[in-house]
Amino acid sequence: AQSVSQHNHHVILSEAASLELGCNYSYGGTVNLFWYVQYPGQHLQLLLKYFSGDPLVKGIKGFEAEFIKSKFSFNLRKPSVQWSDTAEYFCAVKMDTGRRALTFGSGTRLQVQP
Amino acid sequence: DVKVTQSSRYLVKRTGEKVFLECVQDMDHENMFWYRQDPGLGLRLIYFSYDVKMKEKGDIPEGYSVSREKKERFSLILESASTNQTSMYLCASSPNPAGGYNEQFFGPGTRLTVL
Repeated sequence: AQSVSQHNHHVILSEAASLELGCNYSYGGTVNLFWYVQYPGQHLQLLLKYFSGDPLVKGIKGFEAEFIKSKFSFNLRKPSVQWSDTAEYFCAVKMDTGRRALTFGSGTRLQVQP
Repeated sequence: DVKVTQSSRYLVKRTGEKVFLECVQDMDHENMFWYRQDPGLGLRLIYFSYDVKMKEKGDIPEGYSVSREKKERFSLILESASTNQTSMYLCASSPNPAGGYNEQFFGPGTRLTVL
């Protein structure tokens, strides 16, 4: 079955450190890729998305992600994190299997220490 | 802005009760979804609906049913609540992917505790 893996379950960083969160999926067909963020006490919101074109995607709040098709990966990056980036981050994939729903990874909890 | 609302933020029920979770979206989206979110497991799809009165099972439909009588409203029903259904329930909606866009918009969630 198709799946999405986020290998970092809990990441702790100091402010100004660089961030990279991994996301891999197991599907060989066409995909749409998403990163969602859930700040404490808030609802899930879209951080960035990839549908086609430039594999380097820029999102809100200085985040970016790179789609590497050969590695089935869509890693999230930020050069310098802030305390306000403390949140849970979810990678999600829409696969062209006819299934309309997204397949989500298990999430990565990011804690940024001041 | 797209708005997805859920009837309750917190709910406490007893084992065996019938539980209704309501979700309403105001953007005329065709697709609506119910997920449950558990620590370390991410979001798992329970059911989704792509049209009024149409539904399809997701990955974990056991113990749940759904109802979509109107386009804007999608209800999740726990026929006989059990303690293992204690979880955060998230509703989402999305437009039809005619243009290839499948972004989903989420509600605030309902934290259900079954005692």
